[in-house]
Amino acid sequence: EIVLTQSPGTLSLSPGESTTLSCRASQSVTNNFLAWYQQKPGQAPKLLISGASSRRTGIPNRFSGSGSGTDFTLTISRLEPEDFAVYFCQQYVTLPETFGQGTKVEIK
Amino acid sequence: QVQLVQSGAEVKKPGASVKVSCKTSGYTFTDYGIKWVRQAPGQGPEWMGWISAYNGGIHYAQKFQGRLTMTTDTSTSTAYMELRSLTSEDTAVYFCARGTAWVGVYDPWGQGTLVTVSS
Repeated sequence: EIVLTQSPGTLSLSPGESTTLSCRASQSVTNNFLAWYQQKPGQAPKLLISGASSRRTGIPNRFSGSGSGTDFTLTISRLEPEDFAVYFCQQYVTLPETFGQGTKVEIK
Repeated sequence: QVQLVQSGAEVKKPGASVKVSCKTSGYTFTDYGIKWVRQAPGQGPEWMGWISAYNGGIHYAQKFQGRLTMTTDTSTSTAYMELRSLTSEDTAVYFCARGTAWVGVYDPWGQGTLVTVSS
């Protein structure tokens, strides 16, 4: 099983700031089969990025993903009020598919 | 637009079973599969399994083998997840999501169904 470790656990930021979230895999995520999701309280997760760096249609370009192998990042440029949420990474290289434990981006 | 609408919250006693439905619309049901995950409070989602709506092919997570059943009804474009022999550790929000294959992204998701197991 591929274990995904996200860091940090919580980020306290102000609107307008930029940030980078980390997702580290216990073994190589081949073909960059890594996705990022955003989840707001009481809601289902929403797909932001697949293939490590491809934004889903309709996702603002302030969200960007990068990385390869075992280290991946999600960058959010100029945080908007609606961006404060929990972010999860997910690998889809092999079963069982696994998710990270999440990074919470909260308003400072 | 593509939508997945799940059945409502459930409260069950230990040892009971729960069956959650996931009604889809806005796309050809048999062109995709349905993934099921659950999420305990404050934790990341946990993959439970995947079922192909095209041919019924199934993959279950090993930890649920023997007490999990996933099915689909192509006449109503609805997927079902039944979990048996519930314990308090099964208390979680259960989500369905559309998936293109047995591994892949989850897009979109149902709104979630809270299952509470308590005596």
